[in-house]
Amino acid sequence: AQSVTQPDIHITVSEGASLELRCNYSYGATPYLFWYVQSPGQGLQLLLKYFSGDTLVQGIKGFEAEFKRSQSSFNLRKPSVHWSDAAEYFCAVAANTNAGKSTFGDGTTLTVKP
Amino acid sequence: DAGVTQSPTHLIKTRGQQVTLRCSPKSGHDTVSWYQQALGQGPQFIFQYYEEEERQRGNFPDRFSGHQFPNYSSELNVNALWLGDSALYLCASRPGDRTYNEQFFGPGTRLTVL
Repeated sequence: AQSVTQPDIHITVSEGASLELRCNYSYGATPYLFWYVQSPGQGLQLLLKYFSGDTLVQGIKGFEAEFKRSQSSFNLRKPSVHWSDAAEYFCAVAANTNAGKSTFGDGTTLTVKP
Repeated sequence: DAGVTQSPTHLIKTRGQQVTLRCSPKSGHDTVSWYQQALGQGPQFIFQYYEEEERQRGNFPDRFSGHQFPNYSSELNVNALWLGDSALYLCASRPGDRTYNEQFFGPGTRLTVL
């Protein structure tokens, strides 16, 4: 069975500081990996995804993530955080087949200090 | 182009009642998935509909059922509601049933069971 762990429930960073959100997954084969952002009262928006190829993937809003198979990790990074980045972030894993069942972590809440 | 829409936005029910939630997929999308997001947790996959059939199902009891109509819209039905069903119910749509096609999420229906 596939699973996702986001070790940090809540992270606070100062505006302009760098950010790294951790994600560890468990899956028996090559996974599809995703990062989503959810603002209050909103649905989830896809930030980036990894299917294959280059292990460093670029996403929207200046985010990037690196797939490390040896560590079963897919950490999300941003070099300089903006106040508007405050939200909840979810990592998800899916089988690389059809049907698209995604398994999500429990999320990390990001607070940005002015 | 309207994205994924869900109705109603909020709903309050009492234990034992039944509820129907509705989802209209993004234009051009024929696959609909439903997720349950309890407070403080990540979304959990309920089931996915493609070509009017349930294609995959998560670990949810038979009280949760669904339907997809010829126009690809979908309903989620929950019978015999209990307090633990209180959650945000998210609908997501994608074109085709392949995982690599990005799924788009609606804003959700907030269900409160008293």
